[in-house]
Amino acid sequence: SQTIHQWPATLVQPVGSPLSLECTVEGTSNPNLYWYRQAAGRGLQLLFYSVGIGQISSEVPQNLSASRPQDRQFILSSKKLLLSDSGFYLCAWSAGFEAFFGQGTRLTVV
Amino acid sequence: AQSVTQLDSQVPVFEEAPVELRCNYSSSVSVYLFWYVQYPNQGLQLLLKYLSGSTLVKGINGFEAEFNKSQTSFHLRKPSVHISDTAEYFCAVSLYNFNKFYFGSGTKLNVKP
Repeated sequence: SQTIHQWPATLVQPVGSPLSLECTVEGTSNPNLYWYRQAAGRGLQLLFYSVGIGQISSEVPQNLSASRPQDRQFILSSKKLLLSDSGFYLCAWSAGFEAFFGQGTRLTVV
Repeated sequence: AQSVTQLDSQVPVFEEAPVELRCNYSSSVSVYLFWYVQYPNQGLQLLLKYLSGSTLVKGINGFEAEFNKSQTSFHLRKPSVHISDTAEYFCAVSLYNFNKFYFGSGTKLNVKP
């Protein structure tokens, strides 16, 4: 069966520090991969999606970037965090018909 | 462009009462429709999905939803809610190629004893 791992579960980082969130999927190959951000009262915002290794599409301009160095690995990064980057970040994968979500990372920028 | 609207940000309801959570979408092409549930500090879990066929879709935990193409709606219903249904519910759409999933802003269901 397929599983998705996302870590860390919680993270507190100072303004201006770098960020790296990692997501890996097991049990499937060539999945579509997604990063979403959930800000309080604002629902889920699609940040990035990827249909293959090295193929990244950005949905909104922002202080973040994404990379897919391996088929089942998706990384969300920032060189310098802003206060506005705080939120709940969710990784998801899909092989068609529905999306499956990780448990999320609560990022607090202080 | 596709968009999903969940008009009710919060829905309070008493235990064992029926509930309907509303979802409307806009799209210039055919879409597939989903409802997800999120418990605090967790990821999203699929409740049900509409891909094709019967417009009445049954999901887990006694939930069902009806796809209404003319009204571009996909409302979620449950005839009798439990305390354990307290969570946030998200409606989502995806295009035919499933490359993207767009979510509504969510509805917090608060079931009171």
